[in-house]
Amino acid sequence: GAGVSQTPSNKVTEKGKYVELRCDPISGHTALYWYRQSLGQGPEFLIYFQGTGAADDSGLPNDRFFAVRPEGSVSTLKIQRTERGDSAVYLCASSLNPPGPDTQYFGPGTRLTVL
Amino acid sequence: GNSVTQMEGPVTLSEEAFLTINCTYTATGYPSLFWYVQYPGEGLQLLLKATKADDKGSNKGFEATYRKETTSFHLEKGSVQVSDSAVYFCALSTNTGNQFYFGTGTSLTVIP
Repeated sequence: GAGVSQTPSNKVTEKGKYVELRCDPISGHTALYWYRQSLGQGPEFLIYFQGTGAADDSGLPNDRFFAVRPEGSVSTLKIQRTERGDSAVYLCASSLNPPGPDTQYFGPGTRLTVL
Repeated sequence: GNSVTQMEGPVTLSEEAFLTINCTYTATGYPSLFWYVQYPGEGLQLLLKATKADDKGSNKGFEATYRKETTSFHLEKGSVQVSDSAVYFCALSTNTGNQFYFGTGTSLTVIP
């Protein structure tokens, strides 16, 4: 079946602009996660959705970052007033039945470059 | 707090060599432990996992045993192949499952 998909695969923007990154989880997966991966580092947790609600947003670095999942499926990560330090690969993952040791399935990521 | 420490790379091995990538963790409660792999140009994929102490996860010839006494989850393979060249990430998930905590990744290159 279809895996987690993310669009766009690459996004180049200028400092100060607004960007939206989209994630389509595996059908039926109730949990959705956003991570940020900087070069040479492991993924860093940003936010976790259970259904439509953000159950844990403790990883969002500041109030320029926001994410929504209005219908409990597709999610959008929104970054306002982008800064060069926001450049990274943004990963989305979904899982079936959290909490617990459920496997997370990752999308291919969106590479964001802020010039 | 929760964290994962894995050996730094890059690691370069000849084909058929023995592989060990060390991973240790710090966690509250009873975490589940994972190894994820990222092949060139691809997304993260689950390689194996273990959900309780003394469990052994295995897949594609790779193995890792959840050692609570040493807080470790070292990845091993007896005979690596060129196709195993990738970046390997150790990760833990707490029993609330809200977050994964990843190590920094270890790059493996296997040469013929």
